[in-house]
Amino acid sequence: DQQVKQNSPSLSVQEGRISILNCDYTNSMFDYFLWYKKYPAEGPTFLISISSIKDKNEDGRFTVFLNKSAKHLSLHIVPSQPGDSAVYFCAALNDYKLSFGAGTTVTVRA
Amino acid sequence: KAGVTQTPRYLIKTRGQQVTLSCSPISGHRSVSWYQQTPGQGLQFLFEYFSETQRNKGNFPGRFSGRQFSNSRSEMNVSTLELGDSALYLCASSFLQGPPRDEQFFGPGTRLTVL
Repeated sequence: DQQVKQNSPSLSVQEGRISILNCDYTNSMFDYFLWYKKYPAEGPTFLISISSIKDKNEDGRFTVFLNKSAKHLSLHIVPSQPGDSAVYFCAALNDYKLSFGAGTTVTVRA
Repeated sequence: KAGVTQTPRYLIKTRGQQVTLSCSPISGHRSVSWYQQTPGQGLQFLFEYFSETQRNKGNFPGRFSGRQFSNSRSEMNVSTLELGDSALYLCASSFLQGPPRDEQFFGPGTRLTVL
């Protein structure tokens, strides 16, 4: 049972534009959410996170928004750069267990 | 500081065999978690070890087991391999117990192919 869903397997965006990645979850017990970035042949690396008591967290070009009532979060990357081309995983935490989405492959076009 | 290392990086086995994967965490990290990544499923949590004790376990059959040694290195074992076990197995280490208090650092993974 997939508790964290990333319904868009891929996203193509022009360099300099905004990338918006979406993630939905079903378990209302999740209390912390994270985004990871993964390059080929490497393990995922932590990008940004948000606690369930907040609705927005910003770190440089990356902003994560949380809508608890809709059980939805999104990651905004502004402006998108070629180095942002990677697979992005959304993850949700409950009782120290992380549940991941299937990932969204982002391609930034020059 | 060296990162998380996993060996081997690639492995090919046949159905019914068993396999052992190894993970060396970042020096000083005591928590090691294992994940299975398959296309379309994302990363599925297998288990987490801390100070040689399994503290958390995901929803995987008993064919999947693990252990942690006194130096925090961890091994994962899969017995009676099935075709569906073909996946990338990722190991992650953290100082205490991962997010939200500690960041998890992932290794590059072991790509297991079951024929």
